[in-house]
Amino acid sequence: SFVLTQPPSVSVAPGQTAAISCGGDRFRLKSVHWTQHKPGQAPVAVLYDDTDRPPGIPERFSGSKSDNTATLTISAVAAGDEADYYCHIWDSNTGHMVFGGGTKLTVL
Amino acid sequence: EMQLVESGGRLVQPGGSLRLSCTGSGFRFDEYAIHWVRQTPGGGLEWVSVISWDSRGIYYAESVRGRFTISRDNAKNSLFLQMDSLRPEDTALYYCVKDICPLPNPNCYLHFWGRGTLVSVSS
Repeated sequence: SFVLTQPPSVSVAPGQTAAISCGGDRFRLKSVHWTQHKPGQAPVAVLYDDTDRPPGIPERFSGSKSDNTATLTISAVAAGDEADYYCHIWDSNTGHMVFGGGTKLTVL
Repeated sequence: EMQLVESGGRLVQPGGSLRLSCTGSGFRFDEYAIHWVRQTPGGGLEWVSVISWDSRGIYYAESVRGRFTISRDNAKNSLFLQMDSLRPEDTALYYCVKDICPLPNPNCYLHFWGRGTLVSVSS
């Protein structure tokens, strides 16, 4: 089955840029989506189709993808961006949604 | 305002059953696929199941196939998850999640989440 690999944690100083990676095979054929989850709150979609932002998500959130890695980039990071971030895909071959293990973003 | 409200979670013994419900409002419930996604005690998100807008497309994670059954009643804007033969590893916060599309699709994403209902499986 498809596996998505994320670093457990990323730390960044306020105002700097955070890059959260998501590794997988044959990414060129997959659309990668990203969800933000803050403790005690409902998760929120922050990127879809590799690079697109849902309404209401600031331009500071951007995405990119190569053959084997998708990246969520958050520029001008603020304390309010502290959260767990999950990449996920829909695998049409298996009829399953697959989540990465999640990355905890800490703002120093 | 869009809302998804889950209910039905509680403490249940291993081998027991539970039925979760989710009621949607503020959008055309019958036009979208709806998922169940759970957050395990370890913190990660795990996809459980999805049902298409017309109930004709249903998919399950391997960990719950044969034990859980997803269904919906569009007339009542409601989604259900019948959980049988529960195991301790099913302990999680269960979220009801609206898809952006009527059918699960690689280009579609998890558009809106409820706040979850807690299921604990323990003796």
